[in-house]
Amino acid sequence: GAGVSQTPSNKVTEKGKYVELRCDPISGHTALYWYRQSLGQGPEFLIYFQGTGAADDSGLPNDRFFAVRPEGSVSTLKIQRTERGDSAVYLCASSGQDPRGELFFGEGSRLTVL
Amino acid sequence: GEDVEQSLFLSVREGDSSVINCTYTDSSSTYLYWYKQEPGAGLQLLTYIFSNMDMKQDQRLTVLLNKKDKHLSLRIADTQTGDSAIYFCAEIISGNKLVFGAGTILRVKS
Repeated sequence: GAGVSQTPSNKVTEKGKYVELRCDPISGHTALYWYRQSLGQGPEFLIYFQGTGAADDSGLPNDRFFAVRPEGSVSTLKIQRTERGDSAVYLCASSGQDPRGELFFGEGSRLTVL
Repeated sequence: GEDVEQSLFLSVREGDSSVINCTYTDSSSTYLYWYKQEPGAGLQLLTYIFSNMDMKQDQRLTVLLNKKDKHLSLRIADTQTGDSAIYFCAEIISGNKLVFGAGTILRVKS
């Protein structure tokens, strides 16, 4: 499709398990963002990639969270030793060269940690 | 801090105008945005304003920017039931980091 694709759309896991969330951005978009949205809150910035490199990872809450984008396209957000507080919708967005900086969001991956 | 603040809830009757308010933090933000989130859907850019503008009109939408007070508002004229959604104010800080408010739930009663 032409939009940002995220998989899985829903993930239920147990506390302590490892989780990977995948984002396939719009083709040609060099910038890719991960956000986390908890119930009743706005999206919270996690990390931003420009090409293959993480240009800003200041939003990652702790070292259990890690993200990669090895070829400058698809990105994977990895969460180790999941905790119940990690339960949220993880949103991915991409943007191109438009100076307005419009972000195009995927529908998110809903993570539930039991 | 990086807090973008907005009122949490607004209820209007169909056909009335809706005004959603926001205060932001970074006076150097080049663009300010309004995103819309409908149930079960991703966020979509609704409108934006460049920081050197005071007002932008786009069909039923009017965005007002008061840079002195760091205040942004979104007015929706002739509000329809299809406008019911969560509206997020957002600003760019540190170059490319988009920071969102907590969102305003707009409920339109028919």
